[in-house]
Amino acid sequence: EAGVTQFPSHSVIEKGQTVTLRCDPISGHDNLYWYRRVMGKEIKFLLHFVKESKQDESGMPNNRFLAERTGGTYSTLKVQPAELEDSGVYFCASSRPTGTVDGYTFGSGTRLTVV
Amino acid sequence: GNSVTQMEGPVTLSEEAFLTINCTYTATGYPSLFWYVQYPGEGLQLLLKATKADDKGSNKGFEATYRKETTSFHLEKGSVQVSDSAVYFCALTTGGSNYKLTFGKGTLLTVNP
Repeated sequence: EAGVTQFPSHSVIEKGQTVTLRCDPISGHDNLYWYRRVMGKEIKFLLHFVKESKQDESGMPNNRFLAERTGGTYSTLKVQPAELEDSGVYFCASSRPTGTVDGYTFGSGTRLTVV
Repeated sequence: GNSVTQMEGPVTLSEEAFLTINCTYTATGYPSLFWYVQYPGEGLQLLLKATKADDKGSNKGFEATYRKETTSFHLEKGSVQVSDSAVYFCALTTGGSNYKLTFGKGTLLTVNP
């Protein structure tokens, strides 16, 4: 089966601009997760979708971040306006309906640099 | 809350050397413990896991034992290869949020021929 795909792999934008990251999960995976690794720090959970519904968005840092998953397929994570501290690697993962981490498949991440 | 502390890198070893990457944790509740690996240009992959005290997870020659008394889950390999060069992350989940991983900062391992 195809893996989790993230677009773009790299993005460099200026402070104040908008960026949209995309994640295509494995077909049939109802659960989709976003994580972020800021340079030199831990990978941190951002949010969890079950199909198109947000189940847990406790990790979203502030209201400049908007995640959507229309139709329960791919997901987007928009940052508007971007700030310097948003730089990092954004990971997406998906899993089957059981939803535990054992079934996670991660994408290779999007490296975002805000200058 | 939950947290994971792992050995700061980078770690540079020669091929066939012994590897240890230390990991300790704090958790509310009884955690499951994991090691993930990220090879260059790839996504995170589950390397091994342990779900209860004294369990040993193993895969690809790597091992880690769940030590409840020391709240540790150190990763070891007896003889590393160049192909083991990657970033290694220790992580945990706890019962009520078993879909949500708490990670350490990661340790970059470079193995030279």
